[in-house]
Amino acid sequence: GAVVSQHPSWVICKSGTSVKIECRSLDFQATTMFWYRQFPKQSLMLMATSNEGSKATYEQGVEKDKFLINHASLTLSTLTVTSAHPEDSSFYICSARDRRVEKLFFGSGTQLSVL
Amino acid sequence: SQQGEEDPQALSIQEGENATMNCSYKTSINNLQWYRQNSGRGLVHLILIRSNEREKHSGRLRVTLDTSKKSSSLLITASRAADTASYFCAMVSTGGFKTIFGAGTRLFVKA
Repeated sequence: GAVVSQHPSWVICKSGTSVKIECRSLDFQATTMFWYRQFPKQSLMLMATSNEGSKATYEQGVEKDKFLINHASLTLSTLTVTSAHPEDSSFYICSARDRRVEKLFFGSGTQLSVL
Repeated sequence: SQQGEEDPQALSIQEGENATMNCSYKTSINNLQWYRQNSGRGLVHLILIRSNEREKHSGRLRVTLDTSKKSSSLLITASRAADTASYFCAMVSTGGFKTIFGAGTRLFVKA
């Protein structure tokens, strides 16, 4: 089946630094990728939709200057958490839709801890 | 973003028993999907049911969809300890492309 690779799996950083998370579709082209955020024991909250070659579409309440999304190619989307603070600590998951099978395939997630 | 609602929030059963999880949603949908998440991991797609389908099976999984009630259920038969995980329903609204998730059910299967 389709594979989505997400790196890094976990990252610990100091407050004020920026962190980049990569999401790659390995065996299919993904014109659209989605970024979700998940707090412990809670559901996935959609943050933004990443569109190849154009600006991302952010959900209400998500700061676009805080969470920079770049979708430079059909197989790669990146999420950069800028000037991270402890409240940004969370589990971030990307996904990509394989249109051939109408399914979403998920990366393994990135646990971000900001000290 | 608008979420579906799931119940129960948590479910604890003995190995061999059946587990039923329910999902309700608010808008018209193209399809509804069920995903599984092991602790701290990504999600795995289990099954997709289209808006014009009423029931679907995949191995020990059975999914029903009632569009008049805007609800779906996931039944796992003959549960195993390895089924312990969180289960989420997710839906794509009619004319949309975003996938929105329900609150999830945490299933614990005791050996």
